[in-house]
Amino acid sequence: GAGVSQTPSNKVTEKGKYVELRCDPISGHTALYWYRQSLGQGPEFLIYFQGTGAADDSGLPNDRFFAVRPEGSVSTLKIQRTERGDSAVYLCASSSTDKVRNEQFFGPGTRLTVL
Amino acid sequence: GEDVEQSLFLSVREGDSSVINCTYTDSSSTYLYWYKQEPGAGLQLLTYIFSNMDMKQDQRLTVLLNKKDKHLSLRIADTQTGDSAIYFCAERRARGSTLGRLYFGRGTQLTVWP
Repeated sequence: GAGVSQTPSNKVTEKGKYVELRCDPISGHTALYWYRQSLGQGPEFLIYFQGTGAADDSGLPNDRFFAVRPEGSVSTLKIQRTERGDSAVYLCASSSTDKVRNEQFFGPGTRLTVL
Repeated sequence: GEDVEQSLFLSVREGDSSVINCTYTDSSSTYLYWYKQEPGAGLQLLTYIFSNMDMKQDQRLTVLLNKKDKHLSLRIADTQTGDSAIYFCAERRARGSTLGRLYFGRGTQLTVWP
């Protein structure tokens, strides 16, 4: 597709459940980022992939959060034992190998609500 | 401070200029960005400026950078109602961070009155 896509657009789950959020980056983009945006806040970095490997996962809040990108394209963010505080919009972005400017293109996000 | 800071709200009348201000944290940040977010939508990259520049103009948008004060501004000329959105300032730090990770401010809600 032409842009970054994310599925689902909305996810409602119960506390303690497991969820997976998917990101399809722009074709050919090697870098992929996950951010989390809470209400009234700016995006907060979670994890960054260069190709298949996680180059920086220092933004993941705890070990309940995990992300993969097995083939260097699609990525899945996985959250175990969800808590109400995990409710937020999860944004995915991708950028090309042009590392100098690092223009990150964002998807529409997945709104996660934990009841 | 450690945070990218922006004022939270700005209201202007249609046709006027808007100026959105931002203070960033790292004097050696290489790139600074402005993103726009409309309700229910993702972030749209509006423009960016490299740290060796003082000003960048792109149609109705003018970005000014004051590295000494770590101050960034976005001026929108002839503001239209369609410019109503949240505007985020973001920095790419040169020290202590992975290549590519962006640090965002809380965003400025711009409201344009007809």
